[in-house]
Amino acid sequence: DAKTTQPTSMDCAEGRAANLPCNHSTISGNEYVYWYRQIHSQGPQYIIHGLKNNETNEMASLIITEDRKSSTLILPHATLRDTAVYYCIVRVETGGFKTIFGAGTRLFVKA
Amino acid sequence: DAGVTQSPTHLIKTRGQQVTLRCSPISGHKSVSWYQQVLGQGPQFIFQYYEKEERGRGNFPDRFSARQFPNYSSELNVNALLLGDSALYLCASSLRFFSSYEQYFGPGTRLTVT
Repeated sequence: DAKTTQPTSMDCAEGRAANLPCNHSTISGNEYVYWYRQIHSQGPQYIIHGLKNNETNEMASLIITEDRKSSTLILPHATLRDTAVYYCIVRVETGGFKTIFGAGTRLFVKA
Repeated sequence: DAGVTQSPTHLIKTRGQQVTLRCSPISGHKSVSWYQQVLGQGPQFIFQYYEKEERGRGNFPDRFSARQFPNYSSELNVNALLLGDSALYLCASSLRFFSSYEQYFGPGTRLTVT
């Protein structure tokens, strides 16, 4: 199963871009990269996902390297409300369907 | 539109007891997945169901079972509860089975085993 590696924590100043890296060096060709965030003990919130191309939506941008072994989630103008744990996951679709979460990155947005 | 709903919100059980957790997916979503999240860790995948069939299973003992109903709602059952089963149980739904479809999570059920 593909797994992801993320930094344990990161800081970002309010109003600046937050760039959250993720390594997924064992990713297979048909596996999507997903990003979720979780605030306190609420259910994870979907942010964005992609396969090969860079993606952008109203919340964030996802940059995937050409070899697909790593990606970066970009929050263009971080606010205090973006303080959360951010999970980079790979959806595995072999012999059954498994979604594997790692420990995530705890992002602190500071005023 | 209503999101994923789960019941109950909180639950306290005693070791050895059995528990049933319920999940209603977003309207039109046919796939439901269950996750266990122990305090301080990321969610751990338990099951995925699509069209009432199990399509994926994580590394959990047979004490954990689930089913999906014709209206696509789902139940997670845990038998012979252990203290280590105390966790936040999350349900997520998606439109289809395939990994290109994003999952949306419910608020979770907080289970405490004493």
